[in-house]
Amino acid sequence: NAGVTQTPKFQVLKTGQSMTLQCAQDMNHNSMYWYRQDPGMGLRLIYYSASEGTTDKGEVPNGYNVSRLNKREFSLRLESAAPSQTSVYFCASTATDTQYFGPGTRLTVL
Amino acid sequence: AQSVTQPDIHITVSEGASLELRCNYSYGATPYLFWYVQSPGQGLQLLLKYFSGDTLVQGIKGFEAEFKRSQSSFNLRKPSVHWSDAAEYFCAVTSGNTPLVFGKGTRLSVIA
Repeated sequence: NAGVTQTPKFQVLKTGQSMTLQCAQDMNHNSMYWYRQDPGMGLRLIYYSASEGTTDKGEVPNGYNVSRLNKREFSLRLESAAPSQTSVYFCASTATDTQYFGPGTRLTVL
Repeated sequence: AQSVTQPDIHITVSEGASLELRCNYSYGATPYLFWYVQSPGQGLQLLLKYFSGDTLVQGIKGFEAEFKRSQSSFNLRKPSVHWSDAAEYFCAVTSGNTPLVFGKGTRLSVIA
């Protein structure tokens, strides 16, 4: 039981490049989330998926898209990366009310 | 809208001293409250949670928290801090069917 896994762990992009952050959970959870963490800002919700086939915007969705590929997987895509998207990205999942987090992806956009 | 305030950005305590981290929330109904800990370069680990019932909840690593509805607070405590407790601590709130809202975090430093 690996819990929540994220790939890659680290990534450096140039402005304008695109990339997809992958997240998978093996706990059969319905809901999945993407957060970004910036110094002094705590965790801010980007998008979430309450169940397979549904996605909703969170607090800071601009510049991102998501796909809930199946119950296990929830990906986050940056179509045209900007320096303001330099951050640590966390994926989380929950069955009812307790969220379990992945180890994070540290993204730098130059 | 829900919100969480952690008034202390950074706290330094001596090893063996007691600790209290403050958390205030704003939410109309009965909240579900959480404390998470994040060690440097790591993800978030759940310390404890409160849903209902006994207002004093016990968590992992010797932590406890007390829910005080009248003060809209959910402060985290530990009687004796260890050097390994140095980390960032996040308080969070949800209604149970909405995403978590996090505070901005409190960084704990432990000195000898």
